[in-house]
Amino acid sequence: EIVLTQSPGTLSLSPGERATLSCRASQSVSSSYLAWYQQKPGQAPRLLIYGASSRATGIPDRFSGSGSGTDFTLTISRLEPEDFAVYYCQQYGSSPYSFTFGPGTKVDIK
Amino acid sequence: QLQLQESGPGLVKPSETLSLTCTVSGGSISSSSYYWGWIRQPPGKGLEWIGSIYYSGSTYYNPSLKSRVTISVDTSKNQFSLKLSSVTAADTAVYYCAREMATIERHAFDIWGQGTMVTVSS
Repeated sequence: EIVLTQSPGTLSLSPGERATLSCRASQSVSSSYLAWYQQKPGQAPRLLIYGASSRATGIPDRFSGSGSGTDFTLTISRLEPEDFAVYYCQQYGSSPYSFTFGPGTKVDIK
Repeated sequence: QLQLQESGPGLVKPSETLSLTCTVSGGSISSSSYYWGWIRQPPGKGLEWIGSIYYSGSTYYNPSLKSRVTISVDTSKNQFSLKLSSVTAADTAVYYCAREMATIERHAFDIWGQGTMVTVSS
């Protein structure tokens, strides 16, 4: 079973700053199967990035994803007030068919 | 646009079976390249995939829950359902249904229901 680790646990930043979130897998993950989600309190998660670097429909271009193998990054180029939330990475594995989520990184206002 | 809505009891007694239904509107559950999944989130904690189903009935379950989970689909009603047996307090969570993009290029949950809170308590 692949385990995802996210760091930092909490990131305290100001609006306008750049946020860099890390997701590390315990073994190599296909880039096609790495996704990122944003979740705000009381809301369902929202898909931001799939295939490690492809933005989902309607996602602003200040969100970008990169990485391969075991190390992946979500970058928010300039934080907007609505970006303060919890971010989860997720991987899909085909053998066996399964999904694993990371524990999340909370981005809060400094 | 496509929407998903969970429904079912908000309170289940320990040892009983949790049953939830997800109704898909604005599109067909029989679309190719999509699976339909259940994900849960205990209060204050992270996300856990429960399982996924294709409109044909093919299912995949989280190994940690497999012995207690059944996911089924009713294409005539555009719905899919979750049953989780022998529940305990550890099964208390917000339960989400979601559409899963499932192709060789991508596997991710792109559309989610709003979630429904299920509490296990006597």
